Amino acid sequence: AQSVTQLDSHVSVSEGTPVLLRCNYSSSYSPSLFWYVQHPNKGLQLLLKYTSAATLVKGINGFEAEFKKSETSFHLTKPSAHMSDAAEYFCVVISQANNLFFGTGTRLTVIP
Amino acid sequence: NAGVMQNPRHLVRRRGQEARLRCSPMKGHSHVYWYRQLPEEGLKFMVYLQKENIIDESGMPKERFSAEFPKEGPSILRIQQVVRGDSAAYFCASSSTSGGTDTQYFGPGTRLTVL
Repeated sequence: AQSVTQLDSHVSVSEGTPVLLRCNYSSSYSPSLFWYVQHPNKGLQLLLKYTSAATLVKGINGFEAEFKKSETSFHLTKPSAHMSDAAEYFCVVISQANNLFFGTGTRLTVIP
Repeated sequence: NAGVMQNPRHLVRRRGQEARLRCSPMKGHSHVYWYRQLPEEGLKFMVYLQKENIIDESGMPKERFSAEFPKEGPSILRIQQVVRGDSAAYFCASSSTSGGTDTQYFGPGTRLTVL
């Protein structure tokens, strides 16, 4: 079975400071993992995905995530937060049946 | 290349009415997925379809909900006799293959409100 756990439901950072959104996964096989972002009243946009190639994955808008098998983690980071980064972020694992399992989400607030 | 399109974007129904949600996948995509997002929650998988076939409907409620993806036209998610608990955002995604690494691209969602 596959699942993801997002450890923080809310994260607040000041503009210009680093962002860390935490995600741990559980999978019975080598997983494919994704981060999606959802802006208010909008659909979901893919930030990045890990598919067993390089463990450090670079995404759009300056985000990146590192797959750490020993820690079963796939945390999302960004060196410097921008006001436009304020949104809901979902860590996602894909099942063998090709269905996506979403975490409960982390709401990122950026303080000016 | 247009993305995944969903309509309507907002739908209001009274209890007992039917709701029909449409999803047009990206051009060249033949795999469609429906997800539901209840308020303050993440998305939950409902159903996975290919053209004229339901591949996995393990996330669909047993009653009142059905989905189709005909040979021609959009995929339809149909909810009969809606109840207040059906109020949610319904998202459709599409992919070009069924491979485990293939990206699912999401539409903007349909927000269903049941009065």
